[in-house]
Amino acid sequence: DQQVKQNSPSLSVQEGRISILNCDYTNSMFDYFLWYKKYPAEGPTFLISISSIKDKNEDGRFTVFLNKSAKHLSLHIVPSQPGDSAVYFCAASATSGTYKYIFGTGTRLKVLA
Amino acid sequence: ETGVTQTPRHLVMGMTNKKSLKCEQHLGHNAMYWYKQSAKKPLELMFVYNFKEQTENNSVPSRFSPECPNSSHLFLHLHTLQPEDSALYLCASSQLRGGNAEAFFGQGTRLTVV
Repeated sequence: DQQVKQNSPSLSVQEGRISILNCDYTNSMFDYFLWYKKYPAEGPTFLISISSIKDKNEDGRFTVFLNKSAKHLSLHIVPSQPGDSAVYFCAASATSGTYKYIFGTGTRLKVLA
Repeated sequence: ETGVTQTPRHLVMGMTNKKSLKCEQHLGHNAMYWYKQSAKKPLELMFVYNFKEQTENNSVPSRFSPECPNSSHLFLHLHTLQPEDSALYLCASSQLRGGNAEAFFGQGTRLTVV
């Protein structure tokens, strides 16, 4: 049972435009959400997170939006740069019980120069 | 450099071999994790250790045996693996503080079972 889903395996965006990556989750116990960026043959790098008490968190070019009623979050990157090309993973955790992170399958972003 | 170091970076082993993966974190964190990443699959949680105690075993076969001697070190002992166990094995750590925290990952060990 896939508790965290990223339904778009890939996305191509022109440099300078906005990239929007989406993530859906099914477990209502999740209350903390994270986005990671991953290059081939490397470990994921933490990008940005959001707690369920917020609906938006911004850090430079990266903004994460959370819609709890829809169990949906998105990552906006603006403006997109060629160096942003990587695989992006969404992750979720529940602060009650065993502290662990459940990941989606990832979206490969390609920013075209 | 994330503060989480994994060795070796690459490992090729036969199905009858015994090997160990090592992870060390320099962040003062109190939780450590093993994840497995296979092609076209999400990162799969294998084990969780909180304060050196195992708190999660995600139905991992016994041919994978974790060890956490202290909060900074985590091992994954491997024996009689199968070719389908070939994957990228990732270690992560986080700080449990009663609230939210991000996990930091190592570079991973690319394992090939022949």
